Amino acid sequence: DAGVIQSPRHEVTEMGQEVTLRCKPISGHNSLFWYRQTMMRGLELLIYFNNNVPIDDSGMPEDRFSAKMPNASFSTLKIQPSEPRDSAVYFCASSNPQGASAFFGQGTRLTVV
Amino acid sequence: RKEVEQDPGPFNVPEGATVAFNCTYSNSASQSFFWYRQDCRKEPKLLMSVYSSGNEDGRFTAQLNRASQYISLLIRDSKLSDSATYLCVLGTSYGKLTFGQGTILTVHP
Repeated sequence: DAGVIQSPRHEVTEMGQEVTLRCKPISGHNSLFWYRQTMMRGLELLIYFNNNVPIDDSGMPEDRFSAKMPNASFSTLKIQPSEPRDSAVYFCASSNPQGASAFFGQGTRLTVV
Repeated sequence: RKEVEQDPGPFNVPEGATVAFNCTYSNSASQSFFWYRQDCRKEPKLLMSVYSSGNEDGRFTAQLNRASQYISLLIRDSKLSDSATYLCVLGTSYGKLTFGQGTILTVHP
């Protein structure tokens, strides 16, 4: 089992640039989560999909953030334009069935300079 | 009030000690409960689920008190390898998982 796969592992970008983070959930899992982790705020849920449909996006900080899940095996989180305060580790996680514990990817460490 | 509250610690204990972490939650609709462990610069990983009757996995014991909206984790005979951040996690019936801020544990020789 390959687990949840995220790419890239590290991203350094300049303020104002577009950033796209990618996630491949575990095959057969129908729930997918995007989390952001910082020292100050801990793990924050940004958005949650079930069967490819966004269920709860109340954690998405602002319009600069968007997430898509075009099919059961792929999701993206896009930040446009990026700002230094977006610097964090972004985790993708998947689970099945609904309400079960989630498995995390290794995360993308984003630095916006 | 935060949905999930944990004492951030840090807890510094000697090897062999028993240590307990507590977590309170505000959403009475929470239906599933977990403890996760996160090592430095790694992803969170499931340590154990928490059941109403309480459950044990080796040196780890988890308890849930729905009436008081309180979860606990007890670690007996601490090992150096137990040093990590322990995260309390709640799940709702529609699948949302909410994490606490985490409690830092350091076990020293």
